[in-house]
Amino acid sequence: DAGITQSPRHKVTETGTPVTLRCHQTENHRYMYWYRQDPGHGLRLIHYSYGVKDTDKGEVSDGYSVSRSKTEDFLLTLESATSSQTSVYFCAISEAQGGDEQYFGPGTRLTVT
Amino acid sequence: TQLLEQSPQFLSIQEGENLTVYCNSSSVFSSLQWYRQEPGEGPVLLVTVVTGGEVKKLKRLTFQFGDARKDSSLHITAAQPGDTGLYLCAGARNTNAGKSTFGDGTTLTVKP
Repeated sequence: DAGITQSPRHKVTETGTPVTLRCHQTENHRYMYWYRQDPGHGLRLIHYSYGVKDTDKGEVSDGYSVSRSKTEDFLLTLESATSSQTSVYFCAISEAQGGDEQYFGPGTRLTVT
Repeated sequence: TQLLEQSPQFLSIQEGENLTVYCNSSSVFSSLQWYRQEPGEGPVLLVTVVTGGEVKKLKRLTFQFGDARKDSSLHITAAQPGDTGLYLCAGARNTNAGKSTFGDGTTLTVKP
């Protein structure tokens, strides 16, 4: 299994508070991704990174920001959490240029009350 | 926007039955992946298909990539309760800067 961890695994927070989720990899893969998974919507890409300090938006990036200061860490920040951001968040890594063969972390279940 | 449509959305069968799930698109992909996700866990990569018409087998699972590289199918022979899960397909394009497109998945339940 790819060495990829996410923290925290579960979090409950209140509307309006900032939240940061962390993804850590030990595989030295170039690409890292943040997805959210909601019933009826499958996996939706929030942001991704193609190298240190190189990031780009996905299809549902509003309300989220990311940072990648080291190859192994990719942070997802909700600046001011809203109830619509209640979801399960998955981090993934890939070495391939086309973004195929992604390896996923165990997920973070976030509840915004 | 590239879309991958998976069908059926839900499938419930008895142990021992065969089944096929589909992944269709109007776009051409350089490769296509199948993942299985169990409740409370992240998706796990099962296979990658690259060549049009390619067939790959993984024990009782057979994966096929369409000749035009726009669609794929997953066939399971003699399904077992351990096959229960969400099956996701994803398409990648080398020109797409590292992004894959995921389908919404097929939820398979295999009853003992």
